[in-house]
Amino acid sequence: SQQGEEDPQALSIQEGENATMNCSYKTSINNLQWYRQNSGRGLVHLILIRSNEREKHSGRLRVTLDTSKKSSSLLITASRAADTASYFCAPSYNNNDMRFGAGTRLTVKP
Amino acid sequence: NAGVMQNPRHLVRRRGQEARLRCSPVKGHSHVYWYRQLPEEGLKFMVYLQKENIIDESGMPKERFSAEFPKEGPSILRIQQVVRGDSAAYFCASSPSGGMEKLFFGSGTQLSVL
Repeated sequence: SQQGEEDPQALSIQEGENATMNCSYKTSINNLQWYRQNSGRGLVHLILIRSNEREKHSGRLRVTLDTSKKSSSLLITASRAADTASYFCAPSYNNNDMRFGAGTRLTVKP
Repeated sequence: NAGVMQNPRHLVRRRGQEARLRCSPVKGHSHVYWYRQLPEEGLKFMVYLQKENIIDESGMPKERFSAEFPKEGPSILRIQQVVRGDSAAYFCASSPSGGMEKLFFGSGTQLSVL
C-alpha cells in the first residue's frame, strides 16, 4: 500500500499537554504532508515536509521526518480543546495521487 | 477567494437511481482529486483528473462510477444505479499543479442510499 499508517489510532489527552502522532510509510517519498479533519468536514492542510528536510515547525506544530526509518511524527504542543480532530499523514511517492491512512483521532479534554 | 465548492452537501437517493456530485475547484486550479470516506475511516483515493483528462482512476470501481473534469464547468463524479454500499462522504480536492503539493479540500457530499 502507498498510504501512510498513523499510530496510535486514538489519543486522548488533557488540555495543555502535548500530543504526538506517528506515521510510517513503505518506500522512498518526495514529500510527506499532514492534514487535520474536524468531524464532518473536509481535510485541512497543516504542514508539508520534503524528503531532504528533517524537521519543520508551524506555530504549535512540529513535524519530523526520518527517511532511514520511513517514519514521521507530528507534535502538537500545549494542546487546546479546539485541536480535537482526526489527523492524517499523506506520503507522496509520485506526481499522480495522494493517499491517506485511517488517521489518528485526537481528543483534547478541557 | 472561494475555496473548493462541493454540491450538494447532502444527497439522498434510492437504490437504482443515479447520483451526480459536483466539485468546483479553487479558481485557477487545474488538478482535481476525488476521495470516498466511510464513517470512522480514512479517505480512500478514487480518481485524479486534470482538465479534460483522467490521469489516474485506479481507485475507482470498474462499474457504475465515472468522473469528468471538462474544459468549462465543475468536475462531476457520477454513480449510476446506486446501492446501499455507495453511502459515504465524497470529498473533492484541488491543487494548482501536479507534483503532490498542498491539496485544498471541499466540505464533501454526504450520499445516503435508501
